[in-house]
Amino acid sequence: DQQVKQNSPSLSVQEGRISILNCDYTNSMFDYFLWYKKYPAEGPTFLISISSIKDKNEDGRFTVFLNKSAKHLSLHIVPSQPGDSAVYFCAASDFIKDKIIFGKGTRLHILP
Amino acid sequence: DVKVTQSSRYLVKRTGEKVFLECVQDMDHENMFWYRQDPGLGLRLIYFSYDVKMKEKGDIPEGYSVSREKKERFSLILESASTNQTSMYLCASTSRDRPYEQYFGPGTRLTVT
Repeated sequence: DQQVKQNSPSLSVQEGRISILNCDYTNSMFDYFLWYKKYPAEGPTFLISISSIKDKNEDGRFTVFLNKSAKHLSLHIVPSQPGDSAVYFCAASDFIKDKIIFGKGTRLHILP
Repeated sequence: DVKVTQSSRYLVKRTGEKVFLECVQDMDHENMFWYRQDPGLGLRLIYFSYDVKMKEKGDIPEGYSVSREKKERFSLILESASTNQTSMYLCASTSRDRPYEQYFGPGTRLTVT
């Protein structure tokens, strides 16, 4: 049973436009939500997080929005750059079980 | 700068062999994790450890064991490798202060023939 779902396996966006990656979750006890970025042949790297008590967190070109009533979060990248082409994993922290649960990932392609 | 290293980037083993994957972190992190990544399945947690000599089963521990004799080192052991254990294996570590911010190693691509 998937607790963190990324329903889009891939997404293509024109360079300079906004990239929006979506994620849904089922467990209302998650305390933190995270986005990780992964290039081929490398381990994932932490990108941005948001506490469950907030609805927005911004870091440069990256903004994460959390809609708790809909159990939905999204990552916005503005403007999109070629180096943003990667797999993005949505994840959630389960403080009861003390572990992180990852989604299956969305491959983002930034088109020139 | 946090560094997590894994002993091999690529490994080819035969069915039935015992396989050791080593992970070392240099940031004095308390928590360490082993995941495997497969296409279409994302990252799945195999085992994790919150302290030396401690280990906890993740979501898919079958066929694996772990060892943590020192704080900086976390080993994953495949007792008898099988072809369905062909995968990318990723090690990660975190501090207790920020347990959700995981630092990953580069991964080991294991092929079992």
